[in-house]
Formats: sequence, structure tokens, C-alpha cells
Amino acid sequence: GGIITQTPKFLIGQEGQKLTLKCQQNFNHDTMYWYRQDSGKGLRLIYYSITENDLQKGDLSEGYDASREKKSSFSLTVTSAQKNEMAVFLCASSITSGTYQDTQYFGPGTRLLVL
Amino acid sequence: GDSVTQTEGPVTVSESESLIINCTYSATSIAYPNLFWYVRYPGEGLQLLLKVITAGQKGSSRGFEATYNKETTSFHLQKASVQESDSAVYYCALGNTNTGKLTFGDGTVLTVKP
Repeated sequence: GGIITQTPKFLIGQEGQKLTLKCQQNFNHDTMYWYRQDSGKGLRLIYYSITENDLQKGDLSEGYDASREKKSSFSLTVTSAQKNEMAVFLCASSITSGTYQDTQYFGPGTRLLVL
Repeated sequence: GDSVTQTEGPVTVSESESLIINCTYSATSIAYPNLFWYVRYPGEGLQLLLKVITAGQKGSSRGFEATYNKETTSFHLQKASVQESDSAVYYCALGNTNTGKLTFGDGTVLTVKP
């Protein structure tokens, strides 16, 4: 088995601030994902990465940057926090992406609050 | 784009009653998407409940079943007799095998009364 760790668990920022969320996985999975979930809504894909140093935009990438520094870690940056970005950010990983979709394993989430 | 619509919650049922949570999908760029049910139990992270990658097939896990129906573009989640421990939020998701992306429904909050 493995685990996905997200830090911090809670992130409080100021409007306009640049904020970074981190994710680590020890599954040795190739593909990692960042999703955003607003209250009462489904998950929306922000960025994903199919290997180290790769980045692919999701449906919600505007206002965010991401970095896959190594296979086990994937970070997400909110470039300028806005009040309407209060949400939970979920990191996930899977063995591969593409035609055969392996199960995605999710971390516990980072809850973002912008004051 | 792809979309998933599922039963709006919250849904409340009594223990030992049957349950169905509806899920319908629209896949605009792919004929045969993969279909998933994910679940989040209280205090836990999101986890896979079951998945089906072949149209016409049924997936099952923990007493839950879902059949991939391409004709009606549906993937309803059913259980014959729910337990209090089934209380959770359930998400239907569509996997686009061209892009590798998952599209999630908004989730259905299920409460099972003892």
C-alpha cells in the first residue's frame, strides 16, 4: 500500500497573495493530479502530470501554476488568491494515465480560506 | 465537454432499505468512457468504490452494484439493503480514455438512519 500526504491541511491567505500547496505520494505512481472542490460540487481538474517535469493543463488551470519536481511530489501554486477561491484542493495519483485508466488514489485535501 | 449528472442529495434512507443513486453521463468525444463510483466516508479521503470499463458489464463492491448502460448512458448505484456505515458522499465519475481525465458529478450525500 501507499499514502498521499498533502501539506498544509489548512491554508489561510490574504487576497492577492501567492500560496503554495504540496503533495507527496509513496505509491511510486507515474501520474499525479490536482483537483479543486467547491462546497457541494464535484471535483474539477486543475493540472496533472504524467511524469517528472511534465505538466498538462486541466479544465481550471487559469490562476494556478504547478510543478512536478520529482516523481513523488507535485506542488500547486495559487498565483493570486481571490475571495471566491475558498475550496478544498485534492491531490491524487495513479499508475498511468491514458487509454487504460488506473484507479486514482486521493490525499486528504488542503482547505484554503482567503481573508 | 464531458458531463455527469447524479441524484441531488441529501438522500436519507432507513437501515435495511434498498437504495438507488442515479447517474447519467454525456461523453462528447469518446464512445466508450470508463465509469466509476467514488465514495468519501466521514473523516476519510475520497476512495474508489467500483469501476466498470466495458459497456454492458456490472461492477460490485461492499454490496453495491452498478451496471454500465450505454443505451441509456447511465451508471446507477444500487444496494439491496443499506447499513448505517454506508452513510457517506458518493460521486459518479466518467473517465475519458483519450485524455485520461476524470469528470465528476456533484456528489450525493447519503444518510442511513438506524
